[in-house]
Amino acid sequence: SQKIEQNSEALNIQEGKTATLTCNYTNYSPAYLQWYRQDPGRGPVFLLLIRENEKEKRKERLKVTFDTTLKQSLFHITASQPADSATYLCAPAPFSGGYNKLIFGAGTRLAVHP
Amino acid sequence: NAGVTQTPKFQVLKTGQSMTLQCAQDMNHEYMSWYRQDPGMGLRLIHYSVGAGITDQGEVPNGYNVSRSTTEDFPLRLLSAAPSQTSVYFCASSQETGNYEQYFGPGTRLTVT
Repeated sequence: SQKIEQNSEALNIQEGKTATLTCNYTNYSPAYLQWYRQDPGRGPVFLLLIRENEKEKRKERLKVTFDTTLKQSLFHITASQPADSATYLCAPAPFSGGYNKLIFGAGTRLAVHP
Repeated sequence: NAGVTQTPKFQVLKTGQSMTLQCAQDMNHEYMSWYRQDPGMGLRLIHYSVGAGITDQGEVPNGYNVSRSTTEDFPLRLLSAAPSQTSVYFCASSQETGNYEQYFGPGTRLTVT
């Protein structure tokens, strides 16, 4: 069956460093992959989408890579700030159009310390 | 725009009771979804709709019903609540093009005793 794996342990880093979060998937080939941010007690918020034919996508301090051979996406936050502390979810999507029954990873909690 | 709204924010039910979780969006999105989120698990899809009058099952549909009579509203009904349905429920609407991003509501925290 399709499976998404994100590091269940919290990632603790110092302010100013680069945070790198990993999303591994098995048993399917996604057409694109989305990343969301979730703060405690709130719904997830969309951050970025990367398509299968894109190796890398950037948005301000965020960078996402997509390696279809390794079946992995990496999510980087450069010059991290305490305000970046949250849980980050990945969601690979099987189809490029129409409604996708997304499978979300359980998320990785990031804590950025001053 | 209010985006996606959900009511209530919190609810406590006794086993066997029924209730409806409300969800509304004002972005004219065709796609709407209901998810549940449990500790240590990812969001799991309960039911979804690709337009008014069209609904289908997701990964964990048992014990839940939905209907979509308008583009704006997508209520989720718990038929006979069970402790296993204790969870946080999120409604989302999404775009059919572009980044296909899902816009989530603030969630409903449901406890079944």
